Amino acid sequence: RKEVEQDPGPFNVPEGATVAFNCTYSNSASQSFFWYRQDCRKEPKLLMSVYSSGNEDGRFTAQLNRASQYISLLIRDSKLSDSATYLCVVNSVNNAGNMLTFGGGTRLMVKP
Amino acid sequence: DTEVTQTPKHLVMGMTNKKSLKCEQHMGHRAMYWYKQKAKKPPELMFVYSYEKLSINESVPSRFSPECPNSSLLNLHLHALQPEDSALYLCASTLRSDSTGELFFGEGSRLTVL
Repeated sequence: RKEVEQDPGPFNVPEGATVAFNCTYSNSASQSFFWYRQDCRKEPKLLMSVYSSGNEDGRFTAQLNRASQYISLLIRDSKLSDSATYLCVVNSVNNAGNMLTFGGGTRLMVKP
Repeated sequence: DTEVTQTPKHLVMGMTNKKSLKCEQHMGHRAMYWYKQKAKKPPELMFVYSYEKLSINESVPSRFSPECPNSSLLNLHLHALQPEDSALYLCASTLRSDSTGELFFGEGSRLTVL
């Protein structure tokens, strides 16, 4: 089982739709969680951190469920510019240091 | 704009060449990382430097040789690479290696090995 798993998609949605991605992680000692966005041939960029109480940033809502070990990202009112790959990143600290584990990414394509 | 700067943005090299990728950050971060990313795959960790010392080497072949001259600079020396090493090489930094905060990426160096 992969440490961080995501549905690779692609998710093809029309403009204005609401879409949700889930990400599951296997290490119960994971401490922090992030959603990164990566455009084609570009570097990953932080979209939002995920807090225990859930957090919202405009059209984006992130939630964490520690009991079930998954995080989610909800995008409301999808825009064409939301088309990208969304990477779930889970962070744990052990003797080796800061271990950031990436999910395989979920590809979103928003169509007119 | 990213606060982690990588050069060159693109590099084409033969299998017998020696080249270097460079990375620089001035955010005072003391942990720096090299990742390799192939198309449609997530970034794969190669090396971690913490306070200018190599702390993690993810079993990377010796044809990749990292170097951290100071707290702001990270290099990746390349020698005798193979075509399958063609990828996007991403440098990243965090405040400290035990930090659980955000990872800041550079724009990457796209490497093609002929």
